[in-house]
Amino acid sequence: DVKVTQSSRYLVKRTGEKVFLECVQDMDHENMFWYRQDPGLGLRLIYFSYDVKMKEKGDIPEGYSVSREKKERFSLILESASTNQTSMYLCASSSITGGYTQYFGPGTRLTVL
Amino acid sequence: DAKTTQPPSMDCAEGRAANLPCNHSTISGNEYVYWYRQIHSQGPQYIIHGLKNNETNEMASLIITEDRKSSTLILPHATLRDTAVYYCIVRSMNSGYSTLTFGKGTMLLVSP
Repeated sequence: DVKVTQSSRYLVKRTGEKVFLECVQDMDHENMFWYRQDPGLGLRLIYFSYDVKMKEKGDIPEGYSVSREKKERFSLILESASTNQTSMYLCASSSITGGYTQYFGPGTRLTVL
Repeated sequence: DAKTTQPPSMDCAEGRAANLPCNHSTISGNEYVYWYRQIHSQGPQYIIHGLKNNETNEMASLIITEDRKSSTLILPHATLRDTAVYYCIVRSMNSGYSTLTFGKGTMLLVSP
């Protein structure tokens, strides 16, 4: 079974702090994704990566950056957290050979005070 | 990617079949139908996908109409643990890096 893990299930940070959210997948997938999910807005794509050191902006990249130094690991960085970044963050991965089916992690609920 | 329409909510009795409809009337020939579900406070879970033939796996069956303009996800014997939001997504295998667009989905409530 594909396993996607995220570093924390719940996180509380203060405005202005730098926040790192980490995602690890164990299936050697080429593609990795970061989404945020908010009530009434559904899932929105922040960034994705199709290879090590490669990244592409999604629909809402402002205020975020990402890092992919190893194939299995994809980090989302909030340089200076703000209250409007309070949300559920979801990581996913997919394989070119697997029909592009995305497999999701359990999510990190981030609260910025 | 084509747009989908799903009912906002449905109810089902435990042990009965749950039939979740999805309309995708603007689907094009190379677009697949995917179903995911999301149990409260968890990440979305892949269920099944298909192009034009009906598909079945250990979780569910997917019935796609001959004109491909609609589909139905069938959970043959719903349990309380199947209570979740179910998302129908249509996407092309040629859509770059396979990003997904989730709509509002159908909230399925399975009751005892």
